[in-house]
Amino acid sequence: DAKTTQPPSMDCAEGRAANLPCNHSTISGNEYVYWYRQIHSQGPQYIIHGLKNNETNEMASLIITEDRKSSTLILPHATLRDTAVYYCIVRVAHYGQNFVFGPGTRLSVLP
Amino acid sequence: DTEVTQTPKHLVMGMTNKKSLKCEQHMGHRAMYWYKQKAKKPPELMFVYSYEKLSINESVPSRFSPECPNSSLLNLHLHALQPEDSALYLCASSGLAGFGEQFFGPGTRLTVL
Repeated sequence: DAKTTQPPSMDCAEGRAANLPCNHSTISGNEYVYWYRQIHSQGPQYIIHGLKNNETNEMASLIITEDRKSSTLILPHATLRDTAVYYCIVRVAHYGQNFVFGPGTRLSVLP
Repeated sequence: DTEVTQTPKHLVMGMTNKKSLKCEQHMGHRAMYWYKQKAKKPPELMFVYSYEKLSINESVPSRFSPECPNSSLLNLHLHALQPEDSALYLCASSGLAGFGEQFFGPGTRLTVL
């Protein structure tokens, strides 16, 4: 079973920041938080991951709370092409450990 | 090259047919994966190959037979499938099994009649 909970759907206005929350209250100290997204009928696309510190790359920012029980993925200026299902996954970095996808959040970016 | 390719994009087969799905990566990754995704559901892991050896089989029926001929190629052989096996089949790769991000291919949309 997935170890995360996410809202099933969210809307965001084009050009505004999209803030996608994820709850992982049972996360262990050596588990990373990963974010993927899946645009309709395409393969999942890696976005970002982190352990404790906030992370930023060209696609998004990842904010992890100090207790690590929740995180937020931020798309700073959402476009229509960001409409997708966003998956938050926690996983320890260890041989044999694999990604378990939950239902994710369906983000709709509206014009 | 950070791409995982899959062929064919679409496949329609009867329940008595034998067909194969192909996946290829040239990133030097040593772990490759097969996932199955039903409509409006998240991907589910089927198989994991590490260094060309099958390391995980998630209790997948034997009508699905994976093969890893070399470090760049992953096949999924299909035989005697059922209509409920219709799904999007996704291939992925990562540097090492259990570490780092996985790169996914575009998938093969399979329909079993």
